[in-house]
Amino acid sequence: DADVTQTPRNRITKTGKRIMLECSQTKGHDRMYWYRQDPGLGLRLIYYSFDVKDINKGEISDGYSVSRQAQAKFSLSLESAIPNQTALYFCATRGLGTGELFFGEGSRLTVL
Amino acid sequence: SQQGEEDPQALSIQEGENATMNCSYKTSINNLQWYRQNSGRGLVHLILIRSNEREKHSGRLRVTLDTSKKSSSLLITASRAADTASYFCAPNTGGFKTIFGAGTRLFVKA
Repeated sequence: DADVTQTPRNRITKTGKRIMLECSQTKGHDRMYWYRQDPGLGLRLIYYSFDVKDINKGEISDGYSVSRQAQAKFSLSLESAIPNQTALYFCATRGLGTGELFFGEGSRLTVL
Repeated sequence: SQQGEEDPQALSIQEGENATMNCSYKTSINNLQWYRQNSGRGLVHLILIRSNEREKHSGRLRVTLDTSKKSSSLLITASRAADTASYFCAPNTGGFKTIFGAGTRLFVKA
């Protein structure tokens, strides 16, 4: 099983719908991250969390919200999806020490 | 946290050739990491070089770090078609955010 699991892997939805992307990890890491990637571009940080009581905004948090339900679970929500939120979304975890990130396989979201 | 800037944006080479990509950053770092992303997949950590190291090897990968120039390079020797991917550097200043640049897109022609 993958260390960082994202669900769903693919989702097509309509403008205005609420969408939740889920991430779970088995690495025991406290730090978890949500990134967004648009075609041909790098990753932009949406939100990050140090533990269940600590949530921080990243570069592009507008239009998104997150929930850290447990150390192992970090969910990203789009309250009212819009077409320019069509992108590939990645969850990542980070352990102490070197700062190496471990990524999930991504959730491809299309908003029509 | 800070963003690394990769150069070139894209690189196309023949199988068997070496591929070199560069990363520049702005402030002092604790370490610098390189990641690979196959098309549409999650990033995978390749190698980490600490600020007190100048060169590091891992298989066909060679990473150098020049802290005086605030730059790093990733060399892939004897490239294979399977090396086709995007490569990202991530300078780590000890903060908790990792910011990625646009990466270098490497295409290895068989």
